[in-house]
Amino acid sequence: SAVISQKPSRDICQRGTSLTIQCQVDSQVTMMFWYRQQPGQSLTLIATANQGSEATYESGFVIDKFPISRPNLTFSTLTVSNMSPEDSSIYLCSVVESSNQPQHFGDGTRLSIL
Amino acid sequence: AQSVSQHNHHVILSEAASLELGCNYSYGGTVNLFWYVQYPGQHLQLLLKYFSGDPLVKGIKGFEAEFIKSKFSFNLRKPSVQWSDTAEYFCALSSGGYNKLIFGAGTRLAVHP
Repeated sequence: SAVISQKPSRDICQRGTSLTIQCQVDSQVTMMFWYRQQPGQSLTLIATANQGSEATYESGFVIDKFPISRPNLTFSTLTVSNMSPEDSSIYLCSVVESSNQPQHFGDGTRLSIL
Repeated sequence: AQSVSQHNHHVILSEAASLELGCNYSYGGTVNLFWYVQYPGQHLQLLLKYFSGDPLVKGIKGFEAEFIKSKFSFNLRKPSVQWSDTAEYFCALSSGGYNKLIFGAGTRLAVHP
């Protein structure tokens, strides 16, 4: 399966700042997604990153707070904007390589906001 | 709306015990079902998947799951667990090969030597 690299692996940020998380895949993939895993909870989909167009956001997530880019078939970024302590979570990138294939996940970015 | 329920939040077993983790879903159409595992300090890994065909699917590390459509269930089983199976297990569904995953709450499994 594709090798997925997320950067940074972890960070501690100040309230009110923004952080951009990168997701790099070693091969072209069909779909890319961003998930959030809040402490002690399961994974929740933030959005589907669409290549060359605006991301598709799930209910409860908005572009102003979580802007996403996907300039090509191997790379995507998620920005967490104007962070507050409630944004402390693990953010995960996942990919689907081709039709009828399962999603594979990156290592995640553990984000703590002070 | 689609949803996934995992009945056991915490399971504690001794080595060599048999394991069954429950997963039920809510969706009226065709589903794809998955079990993912997250070992301590590691990323989420796919254990097994069901798209179609034989409802009994075998995954890595001796795990298997059975899709029972009439019960909307996809329970995970392993006949004999090992200490190294200590992890958190997530059941998930999608309603298409590409589509978003809906995850259950997860089950933390602790296996004691």
